[in-house]
Amino acid sequence: EIVMTQSPATLSVSPGERATLSCRASQRIDRDLAWYQQKPGQGPGLLIYGASNRATGVPDRFSGGGSGTEFTLTISSLQSEDFAVYYCQHYKTWPPMYTFGQGTKLEI
Amino acid sequence: QVQLVESGGDVVQPGKSLRLSCAASGFTFHSYGMHWVRQAPGKGLEWVAVIWFDGSEEFYADSVKGRFTISRDNSKNTLSLQMNSLRVEDTAVYYCARDRGAYDYFDHWGQGARVTVSS
Repeated sequence: EIVMTQSPATLSVSPGERATLSCRASQRIDRDLAWYQQKPGQGPGLLIYGASNRATGVPDRFSGGGSGTEFTLTISSLQSEDFAVYYCQHYKTWPPMYTFGQGTKLEI
Repeated sequence: QVQLVESGGDVVQPGKSLRLSCAASGFTFHSYGMHWVRQAPGKGLEWVAVIWFDGSEEFYADSVKGRFTISRDNSKNTLSLQMNSLRVEDTAVYYCARDRGAYDYFDHWGQGARVTVSS
């Protein structure tokens, strides 16, 4: 079973600054990784898929990188609406299995 | 636009059953696989189950296998989750989510339905 580990658990950053969130897989997963953003009281929203592809409508200040076991989500200049919890997710299509990291809370 | 609206959340006793529903609109429901994902209070996300676009295949997380059943009615654009033998640890907000099309990531999510299992 693949385990996804996110770090740090909480990241404190000021608006306008750059934030880098990390996600590590316990085994190589190529680029089968997505990132989601979740705000309080809401369902998650897709940000990145295939490790580095932005989902439709996602601002270009969000970028994903990495492959194999190490992945990053970078937000280049934080806006007030970006303060939320971010989850990485590994997906295996056959047999289907979906594993989330424990999340990183991005706070002001 | 794509809308997913969950319903059926409630407070139930351990060992009882509950059925959640997800009403889908704004897209061709019968063309997409669908998932249930849950989130225990103050915790992260846990995938629960997936059903193929035509209902021909279902897969479950080990934690719910044999107790939960995912199903869909493509004529009514509705996804369901039948939860039997509920346990305290099943307490969570349950989200339905649309698969993007290749049974990999989830491109749209609902707002969630809260299930509390408590005596």
